[in-house]
Amino acid sequence: QVTLRESGPALVKSTQTLTLTCTFSGFSLTTGGVGVSWIRQPPGKALEWLALIDWDDNQYYTTSLKTRLTISKDTSKNQVVLTMTNMDPVDTATYYCARTRTTPHWYLDHWGQGTLITVSS
Amino acid sequence: SYELTQEPSLSVSPGQTASITCSGDKLGNKYAAWYQKKPGQSPVLVIFQDAERPSGIPERFSGSNSGNTATLTISGTQVVDEADYFCQAWDSSTVFFGGGTKLTVL
Repeated sequence: QVTLRESGPALVKSTQTLTLTCTFSGFSLTTGGVGVSWIRQPPGKALEWLALIDWDDNQYYTTSLKTRLTISKDTSKNQVVLTMTNMDPVDTATYYCARTRTTPHWYLDHWGQGTLITVSS
Repeated sequence: SYELTQEPSLSVSPGQTASITCSGDKLGNKYAAWYQKKPGQSPVLVIFQDAERPSGIPERFSGSNSGNTATLTISGTQVVDEADYFCQAWDSSTVFFGGGTKLTVL
């Protein structure tokens, strides 16, 4: 059974750095064709993909936020960490992590419950 | 950047067929996936690789993708299918989502 769970601070202040941790089970990030993505959804808006780290430690980022994001993994702990610098109130959203299959195309087959991050000014 | 466009809303009666479309430049040359999102819940993958259903997804959900348009079809729509639906594609090592379609079943 694949499960993912996001953890992080519920509230951050403007200009601070957000650190989110995704703890997963039921799969390994050493298996080919597998990765973990981060996605967010601001209230009332669409889903926005942020980043992916794959089994081979390749990292991919959405172009618009690339300079603010860092994704990393700890295979021994079954964790993926996302940091986002210089937080702003517009970054207020529910943040999800999701297992991502990268063959034959990238799609997200299991999602965490999400964590609401509020950024205060 | 790659843009995916969905109609903001669609309303159907129970038992009818709901067709939700997603448009993008040469989308038919890429694979599309679809997600169902209900309020307060996480997104659920309902279609991947254009037309494949994950295990546990009812057969009434089907997908197609050709030309510039991918379509999610829900046959015999049920009240429980009321949700937001997002299409997704992959291009240049980036995941793109459509803006979402709010499906109302009443």
